[in-house]
Amino acid sequence: KAGVTQTPRYLIKTRGQQVTLSCSPISGHRSVSWYQQTPGQGLQFLFEYFSETQRNKGNFPGRFSGRQFSNSRSEMNVSTLELGDSALYLCASSPRDLNPNTEAFFGQGTRLTVV
Amino acid sequence: QKEVEQNSGPLSVPEGAIASLNCTYSDRVSQSFFWYRQYSGKSPELIMSIYSNGDKEDGRFTAQLNKASQYVSLLIRDSQPSDSATYLCAVRVFSGGYNKLIFGAGTRLAVHP
Repeated sequence: KAGVTQTPRYLIKTRGQQVTLSCSPISGHRSVSWYQQTPGQGLQFLFEYFSETQRNKGNFPGRFSGRQFSNSRSEMNVSTLELGDSALYLCASSPRDLNPNTEAFFGQGTRLTVV
Repeated sequence: QKEVEQNSGPLSVPEGAIASLNCTYSDRVSQSFFWYRQYSGKSPELIMSIYSNGDKEDGRFTAQLNKASQYVSLLIRDSQPSDSATYLCAVRVFSGGYNKLIFGAGTRLAVHP
């Protein structure tokens, strides 16, 4: 069974640009969550999608957005990039969102560097 | 107070010893708890999940949960240098009718030969 696939793996962007990251969850999983990981802040929750609907959102500015498609694939977009957006962006896949015991599995991440 | 707290370490243990990693959480309605291992430059890998009070063993790993004390721990027996990594504690909490996974900052474990 294929794992969570994130593309691209590495990305270098210039301040002010925008970027779109992609995540394909494990087959059959319908919930996708996004996290930002930086050395200073650790893993910070961005948002979660289930059945094409955003179910939860973390404390990030509106420049961070996302969506989920009918095949459960998800994208996140960051507009007007800032240097502080440099981070590892991780996508986690879960079977169901309303089951408290559901486990989340991470993709390899996208390393974004803003210069 | 952070929702999930871990000692950042590093926790240094000799090869073959037991490594004990601890985590406390603040949300009393938290129901499920997870331990992830993250090697440097890699993504987190799920190694244990625990949902009820007590111990849960899986190979060299034992997770312990005490909901009354809001405390969860991970024991690694017969520690190996390959266990050297950052261990992330995660708690699933309910928020606005939905649940989300909250992570601690992680504890860095160093197992030396």
